[in-house]
Amino acid sequence: ETGVTQTPRHLVMGMTNKKSLKCEQHLGHNAMYWYKQSAKKPLELMFVYNFKEQTENNSVPSRFSPECPNSSHLFLHLHTLQPEDSALYLCASSQQNALSDEQYFGPGTRLTVT
Amino acid sequence: SQQGEEDPQALSIQEGENATMNCSYKTSINNLQWYRQNSGRGLVHLILIRSNEREKHSGRLRVTLDTSKKSSSLLITASRAADTASYFCATGDYGQNFVFGPGTRLSVLP
Repeated sequence: ETGVTQTPRHLVMGMTNKKSLKCEQHLGHNAMYWYKQSAKKPLELMFVYNFKEQTENNSVPSRFSPECPNSSHLFLHLHTLQPEDSALYLCASSQQNALSDEQYFGPGTRLTVT
Repeated sequence: SQQGEEDPQALSIQEGENATMNCSYKTSINNLQWYRQNSGRGLVHLILIRSNEREKHSGRLRVTLDTSKKSSSLLITASRAADTASYFCATGDYGQNFVFGPGTRLSVLP
């Protein structure tokens, strides 16, 4: 266990559905991240939050909407997704930011869009 | 273009042998990190090496960094079947970029 939990672990949704992914860290970290991992592609950084403020948005489509209500919780709200959005979505946290700190990853949510 | 790239893409060795994976990158970095991922799971941090360091050890792991060649290597000595996983390097620069390479898939055969 890394101290980072994600729910649900698996999610199947239709293109018209709205769902949310949840991430929680019990490590007292100040930075949290969302990554997308597709088959045969490198891990893609989607969003970065430092002290609850979003500091990075790597040109992610607006159908992905992050929310960080406090430094321990991070959500990824999904709506009108496309089949190509099917992937493993990983949450991570670090003490400050990734430039100088190691990241602790959750187990991921395997998302399938039908 | 991709910052970090691991080489080889896949590696298969016998238990007890050493495994070496390489990572190359293109721009100046603040640090380089190695991670491991078991199939379909989250990543686990292995080692962080800073740009002013040349070598670090952790148990059976040894990481080197050559900033003049913009490359790093991860050596796993006396490999075990449990070392079977994908290994990724990730680089942080002096801006806000943190990029993972595509990974090396290591298979250790019993």
